[in-house]
Amino acid sequence: DTAVSQTPKYLVTQMGNDKSIKCEQNLGHDTMYWYKQDSKKFLKIMFSYNNKELIINETVPNRFSPKSPDKAHLNLHINSLELGDSAVYFCASSPTRATNEKLFFGSGTQLSVL
Amino acid sequence: QKEVEQDPGPLSVPEGAIVSLNCTYSNSAFQYFMWYRQYSRKGPELLMYTYSSGNKEDGRFTAQVDKSSKYISLFIRDSQPSDSATYLCAPSLSGGYNKLIFGAGTRLAVHP
Repeated sequence: DTAVSQTPKYLVTQMGNDKSIKCEQNLGHDTMYWYKQDSKKFLKIMFSYNNKELIINETVPNRFSPKSPDKAHLNLHINSLELGDSAVYFCASSPTRATNEKLFFGSGTQLSVL
Repeated sequence: QKEVEQDPGPLSVPEGAIVSLNCTYSNSAFQYFMWYRQYSRKGPELLMYTYSSGNKEDGRFTAQVDKSSKYISLFIRDSQPSDSATYLCAPSLSGGYNKLIFGAGTRLAVHP
């Protein structure tokens, strides 16, 4: 059983399109995250939700909108895609929002904007 | 200056070698120091973490933190080809929310 699963694994799309990435965790965790890993492998936090409540919202263009329908799911919708959005997007979860908690990552969604 | 600096490598070593991976950081308020390992085309996974200064050992892996010089190290003894991966250091604050600041990662290749 996959603990943190993301779909799709690969996403190739044209500039200007709108796309969504879905994430589900079956670990019973309270907290979920979206991270972006760029071509230089820097992994940066974008958003975090704790029990469906947004708790971290980094400096991310408002074209990116996360949504958490329940604590097991966290989706990411991206409007008007740009070339610079090409990256690997990782979903993660942790038991609580505490700073020393282990993060469990999904396998990533490779987004390519043409 | 980036909050966390890490030499991206790649670092290539023969099997059995002792490997030293290092990070420096700028925020003296960091209290937790994590090491994540990322295999190609996979998400990172937590390898080990330490709290504040000192050493922590887990099998072939030793994590070391020197808060006075803001320097973090991960040592791998008797390295194996299965250790070939990217190693990311990730310090975080105590209190507040879980907001890891990842280094760029060091790519390690252990050849037989």
